[in-house]
Amino acid sequence: DAGVIQSPRHEVTEMGQEVTLRCKPISGHDYLFWYRQTMMRGLELLIYFNNNVPIDDSGMPEDRFSAKMPNASFSTLKIQPSEPRDSAVYFCASSWLPGSTDTQYFGPGTRLTVL
Amino acid sequence: AQSVTQPDIHITVSEGASLELRCNYSYGATPYLFWYVQSPGQGLQLLLKYFSGDTLVQGIKGFEAEFKRSQSSFNLRKPSVHWSDAAEYFCAVGAGGSQGNLIFGKGTKLSVKP
Repeated sequence: DAGVIQSPRHEVTEMGQEVTLRCKPISGHDYLFWYRQTMMRGLELLIYFNNNVPIDDSGMPEDRFSAKMPNASFSTLKIQPSEPRDSAVYFCASSWLPGSTDTQYFGPGTRLTVL
Repeated sequence: AQSVTQPDIHITVSEGASLELRCNYSYGATPYLFWYVQSPGQGLQLLLKYFSGDTLVQGIKGFEAEFKRSQSSFNLRKPSVHWSDAAEYFCAVGAGGSQGNLIFGKGTKLSVKP
Protein backbone atom coordinates (compact mmCIF):
# COMPACT_ATOMS: atom_id res chain seq x y z
CA ASP A 1 0.00 0.00 0.00
CA ALA A 2 1.21 3.50 -0.78
CA GLY A 3 0.23 4.89 2.60
CA VAL A 4 -1.90 7.96 3.14
CA ILE A 5 -1.71 10.28 0.14
CA GLN A 6 -2.20 14.02 0.41
CA SER A 7 -2.28 16.66 -2.26
CA PRO A 8 -1.03 19.20 -2.87
CA ARG A 9 2.15 19.02 -0.78
CA HIS A 10 2.50 22.80 -0.83
CA GLU A 11 -0.11 25.46 -1.44
CA VAL A 12 0.43 29.20 -1.58
CA THR A 13 -2.64 31.35 -1.96
CA GLU A 14 -3.87 34.84 -1.29
CA MET A 15 -6.21 35.88 1.44
CA GLY A 16 -9.83 35.40 0.46
CA GLN A 17 -9.22 32.56 -1.95
CA GLU A 18 -10.74 29.11 -1.60
CA VAL A 19 -8.35 26.31 -0.71
CA THR A 20 -9.07 22.59 -1.08
CA LEU A 21 -6.85 19.96 0.47
CA ARG A 22 -7.20 16.32 -0.55
CA CYS A 23 -6.57 13.01 1.14
CA LYS A 24 -6.67 9.37 0.14
CA PRO A 25 -6.59 7.08 3.20
CA ILE A 26 -5.11 3.61 3.34
CA SER A 27 -7.47 1.11 1.77
CA GLY A 28 -9.58 -0.70 4.36
CA HIS A 29 -9.18 1.92 7.07
CA ASP A 30 -12.51 2.98 8.54
CA TYR A 31 -11.33 6.12 10.34
CA LEU A 32 -9.99 9.30 8.78
CA PHE A 33 -8.60 12.29 10.65
CA TRP A 34 -7.71 15.84 9.68
CA TYR A 35 -5.12 17.64 11.84
CA ARG A 36 -3.57 21.09 11.75
CA GLN A 37 -0.05 21.74 13.04
CA THR A 38 1.34 25.17 13.94
CA MET A 39 4.22 26.31 16.07
CA MET A 40 1.91 28.10 18.47
CA ARG A 41 -0.83 25.52 18.94
CA GLY A 42 0.93 22.25 18.14
CA LEU A 43 -1.04 19.39 16.59
CA GLU A 44 -4.81 19.93 16.68
CA LEU A 45 -7.51 17.50 15.60
CA LEU A 46 -9.95 19.29 13.33
CA ILE A 47 -12.42 16.54 12.45
CA TYR A 48 -12.62 12.79 12.10
CA PHE A 49 -14.80 10.41 10.11
CA ASN A 50 -15.91 6.85 10.70
CA ASN A 51 -17.11 4.97 7.63
CA ASN A 52 -17.36 8.28 5.74
CA VAL A 53 -19.57 9.89 8.41
CA PRO A 54 -18.26 12.92 10.35
CA ILE A 55 -18.18 11.96 14.03
CA ASP A 56 -16.52 14.86 15.78
CA ASP A 57 -15.98 18.25 14.17
CA SER A 58 -15.54 20.19 17.40
CA GLY A 59 -12.01 21.09 16.39
CA MET A 60 -13.01 22.88 13.21
CA PRO A 61 -12.07 26.49 13.93
CA GLU A 62 -15.02 28.22 12.29
CA ASP A 63 -17.54 28.07 9.49
CA ARG A 64 -14.88 28.88 6.93
CA PHE A 65 -13.66 25.32 7.32
CA SER A 66 -15.57 22.34 5.94
CA ALA A 67 -14.67 18.70 5.37
CA LYS A 68 -16.28 15.97 3.35
CA MET A 69 -15.74 12.28 2.73
CA PRO A 70 -17.86 11.28 -0.26
CA ASN A 71 -16.49 7.74 -0.32
CA ALA A 72 -14.09 5.47 1.55
CA SER A 73 -11.10 6.47 -0.54
CA PHE A 74 -11.31 10.25 -0.66
CA SER A 75 -11.71 13.22 1.66
CA THR A 76 -11.39 16.97 1.27
CA LEU A 77 -10.79 19.83 3.66
CA LYS A 78 -11.91 23.17 2.31
CA ILE A 79 -11.20 26.66 3.59
CA GLN A 80 -13.31 29.45 2.14
CA PRO A 81 -12.35 32.24 2.38
CA SER A 82 -8.78 31.65 3.50
CA GLU A 83 -6.99 33.98 5.94
CA PRO A 84 -3.29 34.39 6.81
CA ARG A 85 -3.89 32.78 10.23
CA ASP A 86 -4.85 29.55 8.43
CA SER A 87 -1.22 29.11 7.39
CA ALA A 88 -0.14 25.77 8.82
CA VAL A 89 0.68 22.19 7.92
CA TYR A 90 -2.44 20.09 7.50
CA PHE A 91 -2.18 16.35 8.03
CA CYS A 92 -4.55 13.60 7.11
CA ALA A 93 -4.35 10.29 8.96
CA SER A 94 -6.26 7.04 8.84
CA SER A 95 -6.71 4.01 11.06
CA TRP A 96 -8.49 0.67 10.91
CA LEU A 97 -9.89 0.76 14.44
CA PRO A 98 -10.92 3.77 16.58
CA GLY A 99 -8.05 6.22 16.64
CA SER A 100 -7.80 6.27 20.42
CA THR A 101 -6.79 2.60 20.43
CA ASP A 102 -5.17 1.96 17.07
CA THR A 103 -2.16 3.18 15.16
CA GLN A 104 -2.89 6.23 13.07
CA TYR A 105 -1.04 6.42 9.77
CA PHE A 106 -0.21 9.95 8.76
CA GLY A 107 0.22 11.41 5.33
CA PRO A 108 3.16 13.70 4.50
CA GLY A 109 1.06 16.82 5.05
CA THR A 110 0.11 19.89 3.04
CA ARG A 111 1.97 23.06 3.88
CA LEU A 112 -0.46 25.94 3.39
CA THR A 113 0.67 29.53 3.15
CA VAL A 114 -1.96 32.23 2.94
CA LEU A 115 -0.53 35.63 1.96
CA ALA B 1 -11.09 14.70 29.72
CA GLN B 2 -7.64 13.50 28.82
CA SER B 3 -4.58 15.72 28.63
CA VAL B 4 -0.89 15.22 27.90
CA THR B 5 2.11 17.24 29.08
CA GLN B 6 5.57 17.04 27.59
CA PRO B 7 7.61 19.30 29.89
CA ASP B 8 10.65 19.59 27.64
CA ILE B 9 10.28 21.63 24.48
CA HIS B 10 13.80 20.99 23.21
CA ILE B 11 16.50 18.54 24.29
CA THR B 12 20.04 18.19 22.97
CA VAL B 13 22.07 15.03 23.56
CA SER B 14 25.39 13.79 22.24
CA GLU B 15 25.46 10.91 19.80
CA GLY B 16 25.87 7.67 21.73
CA ALA B 17 24.41 9.10 24.94
CA SER B 18 21.24 7.82 26.52
CA LEU B 19 17.92 9.59 26.09
CA GLU B 20 14.78 9.99 28.16
CA LEU B 21 11.83 12.07 26.98
CA ARG B 22 9.18 12.81 29.55
CA CYS B 23 5.42 12.48 29.18
CA ASN B 24 2.76 12.96 31.82
CA TYR B 25 -0.90 12.30 31.17
CA SER B 26 -4.17 13.02 32.89
CA TYR B 27 -6.97 10.48 32.59
CA GLY B 28 -9.21 8.82 35.14
CA ALA B 29 -9.12 5.29 33.78
CA THR B 30 -6.37 3.20 32.25
CA PRO B 31 -5.27 5.12 29.18
CA TYR B 32 -4.09 4.03 25.78
CA LEU B 33 -0.65 5.64 25.37
CA PHE B 34 1.38 6.28 22.26
CA TRP B 35 4.67 7.80 21.17
CA TYR B 36 4.99 9.15 17.64
CA VAL B 37 8.04 10.59 15.88
CA GLN B 38 8.05 13.30 13.22
CA SER B 39 11.12 13.79 11.07
CA PRO B 40 11.52 17.18 9.37
CA GLY B 41 9.03 17.64 6.55
CA GLN B 42 7.32 14.33 7.27
CA GLY B 43 4.13 13.08 8.86
CA LEU B 44 4.06 11.33 12.21
CA GLN B 45 5.09 7.70 12.57
CA LEU B 46 4.21 5.41 15.46
CA LEU B 47 7.16 4.38 17.65
CA LEU B 48 5.28 2.32 20.22
CA LYS B 49 2.02 2.01 22.13
CA TYR B 50 0.78 0.72 25.47
CA PHE B 51 -2.66 -0.70 26.18
CA SER B 52 -2.24 -3.17 29.02
CA GLY B 53 0.05 -5.87 30.35
CA ASP B 54 3.79 -5.44 30.70
CA THR B 55 4.47 -1.83 31.61
CA LEU B 56 7.74 -1.76 29.66
CA VAL B 57 6.98 -1.51 25.96
CA GLN B 58 9.44 -2.03 23.14
CA GLY B 59 9.12 -0.09 19.94
CA ILE B 60 10.84 0.44 16.64
CA LYS B 61 14.31 1.96 16.18
CA GLY B 62 15.48 0.72 19.58
CA PHE B 63 13.08 2.85 21.63
CA GLU B 64 11.23 1.73 24.73
CA ALA B 65 8.77 3.35 27.11
CA GLU B 66 7.64 2.57 30.62
CA PHE B 67 4.11 3.12 31.91
CA LYS B 68 4.05 4.19 35.56
CA ARG B 69 0.51 4.51 36.82
CA SER B 70 1.54 5.98 40.18
CA GLN B 71 3.33 8.83 38.43
CA SER B 72 0.91 9.18 35.48
CA SER B 73 3.93 8.96 33.24
CA PHE B 74 4.93 7.25 30.03
CA ASN B 75 8.55 8.25 29.41
CA LEU B 76 10.37 7.31 26.24
CA ARG B 77 13.94 5.99 26.45
CA LYS B 78 16.78 4.93 24.21
CA PRO B 79 20.13 3.66 25.54
CA SER B 80 22.27 5.09 22.75
CA VAL B 81 21.14 7.89 20.47
CA HIS B 82 22.06 8.02 16.79
CA TRP B 83 22.27 11.19 14.70
CA SER B 84 19.26 9.94 12.70
CA ASP B 85 17.11 10.14 15.84
CA ALA B 86 17.01 13.93 15.57
CA ALA B 87 13.31 14.67 15.17
CA GLU B 88 10.28 15.81 17.11
CA TYR B 89 8.61 13.33 19.45
CA PHE B 90 4.96 13.38 20.43
CA CYS B 91 3.26 11.60 23.28
CA ALA B 92 -0.47 10.92 22.91
CA VAL B 93 -3.26 9.52 25.05
CA GLY B 94 -6.53 7.91 24.04
CA ALA B 95 -9.62 7.00 26.02
CA GLY B 96 -10.12 3.72 24.21
CA GLY B 97 -13.41 2.11 23.33
CA SER B 98 -15.22 3.60 20.38
CA GLN B 99 -13.71 7.03 20.86
CA GLY B 100 -11.94 7.95 17.70
CA ASN B 101 -9.48 10.61 18.71
CA LEU B 102 -6.16 10.93 20.44
CA ILE B 103 -4.92 13.87 22.49
CA PHE B 104 -1.36 14.83 21.55
CA GLY B 105 1.23 16.61 23.63
CA LYS B 106 3.02 19.69 22.30
CA GLY B 107 6.06 17.65 21.33
CA THR B 108 9.74 17.55 22.29
CA LYS B 109 12.32 18.43 19.67
CA LEU B 110 15.46 16.31 19.90
CA SER B 111 18.77 17.56 18.59
CA VAL B 112 21.80 15.25 18.44
CA LYS B 113 25.36 16.57 18.75
CA PRO B 114 28.13 14.73 16.89
